[in-house]
Amino acid sequence: EVQLVESGGDMVQRGGSLRLSCAASGFAFSSYSMTWVRQAPGKGLEWVSYISSGGTTRYYTDSVKGRFTISRDNAKNSLYLQINSLRDEDTAVYYCARKNYGDYVGPLDYWGQGTLVTASS
Amino acid sequence: DIQMTQSPSSLSASVGDRVTITCRASQSINNYLNWYQQKPGKAPNLLIYTASSLQSGVPSRFSGSGSGTDFTLTISSLQPEDFATYYCQQSYSTPQTFGQGTKVEIK
Repeated sequence: EVQLVESGGDMVQRGGSLRLSCAASGFAFSSYSMTWVRQAPGKGLEWVSYISSGGTTRYYTDSVKGRFTISRDNAKNSLYLQINSLRDEDTAVYYCARKNYGDYVGPLDYWGQGTLVTASS
Repeated sequence: DIQMTQSPSSLSASVGDRVTITCRASQSINNYLNWYQQKPGKAPNLLIYTASSLQSGVPSRFSGSGSGTDFTLTISSLQPEDFATYYCQQSYSTPQTFGQGTKVEIK
């Protein structure tokens, strides 16, 4: 059974940092590209970042460029999102999701349960 | 960035109704259009990928169509478990933007 389990969400002061993790199981993690998607309270879904299966290709939405870093450890079946310089608008539930059926252009076929990041004053 | 616009933003329907949700892209995305269902407090669930392919395990009352810039999600006979919010997403180019969502409510 495919499972994605996020962790690391917390309430952090504005300007602070935290690292989100996503533990994958039930599939060959190293063969799949991965994505982070976030959802602010009561709002819609926002695509945040993408990483290729080998970790060599990474993309970010403009609002997080220079502040967020996506990475992965295929030996540990884990995906990460390093968040620096946290802003109020980063407050959201962060989901990790697996890409399938065509790698970069494929859909997100499995999602984790999400982890909540809250920027506080 | 490619903008994805869904309509309507919300709708009220009865069990058994046929429901159609549209999604328009600000430029051509070929057929790289996906549909997700999200229930409150839960992660999204993939329904349709590449505009018209039904994800494994998804009931056949869900269908998708379209190409280029205009796409449609249809629920042929609405069931009680279908009351949720639906999102389209383009996976053609970065950032792989979502529509704003369509909330399907009980009439």
